Amino acid sequence: NAGVMQNPRHLVRRRGQEARLRCSPMKGHSHVYWYRQLPEEGLKFMVYLQKENIIDESGMPKERFSAEFPKEGPSILRIQQVVRGDSAAYFCASSLGTDTQYFGPGTRLTVL
Amino acid sequence: AQTVTQSQPEMSVQEAETVTLSCTYDTSESDYYLFWYKQPPSRQMILVIRQEAYKQQNATENRFSVNFQKAAKSFSLKISDSQLGDAAMYFCAYRSGAYQLIWGAGTKLIIKP
Repeated sequence: NAGVMQNPRHLVRRRGQEARLRCSPMKGHSHVYWYRQLPEEGLKFMVYLQKENIIDESGMPKERFSAEFPKEGPSILRIQQVVRGDSAAYFCASSLGTDTQYFGPGTRLTVL
Repeated sequence: AQTVTQSQPEMSVQEAETVTLSCTYDTSESDYYLFWYKQPPSRQMILVIRQEAYKQQNATENRFSVNFQKAAKSFSLKISDSQLGDAAMYFCAYRSGAYQLIWGAGTKLIIKP
């Protein structure tokens, strides 16, 4: 049973470009969470989604950031017009119900 | 608001010995979950152990065990017979009836051969 998959593992963007991060949850999991980790810090919650629904996006910046979890395919975290401060590791987790969250390997975003 | 505090930025232990990592939290909830996650240099976040607050018995997973003191809001992780592969960042995390995890800042564990 494959774990949570994230791609790409590393992403480099120039300021002003768009970044798309993908997350495929564990088989059978319908709950997806996105977290951001800045260097030397713990994770910070961004958004919680179920299939086709955003349940809680209270941790998402109001502008430039969006997330979706379509009926078919992976969850996408999209960052438009990236800035240097967006450089971080972005982790996706999935769960069966609201039980224990299992994490993917993360995507390290570097903005030049 | 709930908070999680890890007061030890770094800990070191001799291989094969025992080490305890500290975690305290603040909450007004009575029903919640606590977790320890490990993040090795690969950056993968790996679940080590979890504890339900309503359970009085401390959780144990092989060489990993917790000391859960609900009244003191303390949740420490004990690693017995430390191995080189235990070297990592260790994060304590909290979840109440909501779903988002609230994280401590982490403790870097160094294993000395």
